[in-house]
Amino acid sequence: NAGVTQTPKFQVLKTGQSMTLQCAQDMNHEYMSWYRQDPGMGLRLIHYSVGAGITDQGEVPNGYNVSRSTTEDFPLRLLSAAPSQTSVYFCASSYSGGSVDTQYFGPGTRLTVL
Amino acid sequence: TQLLEQSPQFLSIQEGENLTVYCNSSSVFSSLQWYRQEPGEGPVLLVTVVTGGEVKKLKRLTFQFGDARKDSSLHITAAQPGDTGLYLCAGATAGGTSYGKLTFGQGTILTVHP
Repeated sequence: NAGVTQTPKFQVLKTGQSMTLQCAQDMNHEYMSWYRQDPGMGLRLIHYSVGAGITDQGEVPNGYNVSRSTTEDFPLRLLSAAPSQTSVYFCASSYSGGSVDTQYFGPGTRLTVL
Repeated sequence: TQLLEQSPQFLSIQEGENLTVYCNSSSVFSSLQWYRQEPGEGPVLLVTVVTGGEVKKLKRLTFQFGDARKDSSLHITAAQPGDTGLYLCAGATAGGTSYGKLTFGQGTILTVHP
């Protein structure tokens, strides 16, 4: 299994450009999430999904869209990039193994918005 | 919004020393997870604690969940340079399953010098 994969690994955008960060998992996990990581702030939840066709907002959803058409894929779209969206983005997947779930994170996408 | 306060933010110690990292909140969490993150990679789950007062040991690492399930600690005995990394605590609130929604602390950057 490849686990959770993310592409691209690095990206530089200009303000106002749009792009999609790709995330895929091959573990048949129910839940998938997107987080952003900024220095001194840990990880903050952007959007999450509890299954194909079901998504919901996290703590910092503004400026981002998601969809989940399949169990495997959970892309994150930046509609009009802003410098405040410069960050490292992590996708995670998890399953409910009994009373708790185990989260698996991808390697991250490092995004710079100029 | 639930908050997790993690301390200290930075920790620089010599090989062989002991250390403790704290994770505190005014909110109750149904479970709490500890992650370790290497530069350029995603977080990797170390442990999940579920029951108030629970203590789990992972070799030289000891994790404790507070009786009221509002706080947790990570204690490392005889730290080694290989322990160097970013340590993150994360809490789940939706029953025992997070559904991919975790609240993260700010992280503790640990450096162990040979």
